[in-house]
This record gives sequence, structure tokens and C-alpha cells, in this order.
Amino acid sequence: DGGITQSPKYLFRKEGQNVTLSCEQNLNHDAMYWYRQDPGQGLRLIYYSQIVNDFQKGDIAEGYSVSREKKESFPLTVTSAQKNPTAFYLCASSTGLVGADEQFFGPGTRLTVL
Amino acid sequence: RKEVEQDPGPFNVPEGATVAFNCTYSNSASQSFFWYRQDCRKEPKLLMSVYSSGNEDGRFTAQLNRASQYISLLIRDSKLSDSATYLCVVNDAGNQFYFGTGTSLTVIP
Repeated sequence: DGGITQSPKYLFRKEGQNVTLSCEQNLNHDAMYWYRQDPGQGLRLIYYSQIVNDFQKGDIAEGYSVSREKKESFPLTVTSAQKNPTAFYLCASSTGLVGADEQFFGPGTRLTVL
Repeated sequence: RKEVEQDPGPFNVPEGATVAFNCTYSNSASQSFFWYRQDCRKEPKLLMSVYSSGNEDGRFTAQLNRASQYISLLIRDSKLSDSATYLCVVNDAGNQFYFGTGTSLTVIP
């Protein structure tokens, strides 16, 4: 079955540590996205990538980094510079065709900083 | 001004009721429009796309008004299982997706 996987589902880290969240898709989608969702709030875009080896900052990129070395994979690193990293992180993908279609979401990673 | 605005609710309705949600968007060049459903602590899932001509899927009807830049979702004969948060999503010509904060619906027995 095609889809998006994220791991781990729950992640705990100590303040000052970097942590990398995994996102893999086998939908052959060109575009991939990372969002952050805080309680009672909408999704905010962290980074997105429309093609391998290229990515753009979203609205809240500070304290985060990404890479897109393979079409299938778009890992997100939450660095120690991110002031308030505790949140629900969602990865999504789409075909990348302009104005065309929906986004598909992974199950999310819930990050808690202790 | 936010790209997409929704009334956060909450909407508490009895089973069998009809409920309507509205959403406005600011970018007149927006290309595609969607309603997603998000259950508590889960990822959003596509409920339906919204077309200019309007579209219906069972008890759900979505409409788009480009002139006034708003999207609506109508749920008829509400079920307990419809309880969730409904997200309005707009896609611009640059292939970014903009999300409303969501409207919370609770269907009461």
C-alpha cells in the first residue's frame, strides 16, 4: 500500500539536544512538506520541497533544518535553537502539480521536550 | 491578515441536525480548495475537494464562491461519528497549502 510513514510516533528529548524526525513516502510524489501543530491551533508550515535537492523555508523555519537527498525521504531536524519545540509534527506530500491536488499526511510525530 | 480564516466553534449539535461551516481566503489567485477532517491527536485526512460547480458526497456538500472568496461545508443528518475538527485548506499557484485553524464539531446523542 502506498503512503507516508513517520517515525517515531512519540519522541522525548532533553533541552539542548538536536533530534531528527523521519518522513518517508512511496507515492512517487515530488513535493513534501513539514508542518507543526500546537494545541488548538492550525498547521504552520516549517519547510517544503518541490524537488530533490531543493527546499524552501516556510513561515516558521527558524530552529529547524531539512534535507531532500532522495525523492522518498524528507527528514526534519529540530535543533537546540528552536525555542519551543514541543508540538505535533506532521509530514505531508503531494504530486507537486500546481493547483492540482490534495496533500497526503503521515501519522505524525509528537515531540516533547523535557 | 490570515490567508485562511475559519470560525473555530465549537459547534455542538444534536444527532440528525444540519450544520454548516464557512471559510474565507485572502488570495484571489488560489487554485484549489479542500475540506479535511482531523480527529483528536491524528493526522488530517481529506474529506472532499471543493469545485467551482459545487460537489456533494453523501451527506456532505461543499461549495465555492470565488467572487466572495469563501468556501462552505454542509453536513446533513449529523452522526456521532462526524465529531471532529474540520480544516479548510487552500492551495495557491505556488503549490503552497494554507490551512485554517479548524472548526470543532461535536455531535451530541
